[in-house]
Amino acid sequence: SQTIHQWPATLVQPVGSPLSLECTVEGTSNPNLYWYRQAAGRGLQLLFYSIGIGQISSEVPQNLSASRPQDRQFILSSKKLLLSDSGFYLCACHFPNTEAFFGQGTRLTVV
Amino acid sequence: KNEVEQSPQNLTAQEGEFITINCSYSVGISALHWLQQHPGGGIVSLFMLSSGKKKHGRLIATINIQEKHSSLHITASHPRDSAVYICAVRGSQGNLIFGKGTKLSVKP
Repeated sequence: SQTIHQWPATLVQPVGSPLSLECTVEGTSNPNLYWYRQAAGRGLQLLFYSIGIGQISSEVPQNLSASRPQDRQFILSSKKLLLSDSGFYLCACHFPNTEAFFGQGTRLTVV
Repeated sequence: KNEVEQSPQNLTAQEGEFITINCSYSVGISALHWLQQHPGGGIVSLFMLSSGKKKHGRLIATINIQEKHSSLHITASHPRDSAVYICAVRGSQGNLIFGKGTKLSVKP
């Protein structure tokens, strides 16, 4: 079965600092990969998705970017963090009409 | 209006009680997921449904496509069932559209 590794689990970063969250997938090839964010008091919302190497789609404009340098690697980045970037970030892997698999999540606090 | 609505938002039960969490959605879907989020944040998939009913241990999930409604039932609830339960449906990009979750606390 598929396993998703996501790190770090928690992160405290100052405003204006860069961000890099990494997600790697085992047990499958050419997965559809997703980054979601859960802000305080809200449900998880889609940030980016990728159907292949170098293919990134963004749902909403924001202070973040994503990259997929390898088939099973998905990276979420920011050049300068804002306070509003605080939240719980989740990497997920799911094909159409199959079970979804999730990383452990990263709780980011921007101070 | 959110595309996926869950009720209740919070639920406290005594150990052994039968629990029902409801999910209504407003978009056409190919599948609906029930997920469990533990206090540390990790999420695991409980069920994926496109029709009918599924059972796994003490958990039962049902879906009514015509009424755009799904329920998650927990029989003989236990304190270890305490978690946030999330309903999610497939979006047009294959992504998941999540409800806000139901926080369940089961007291011994």
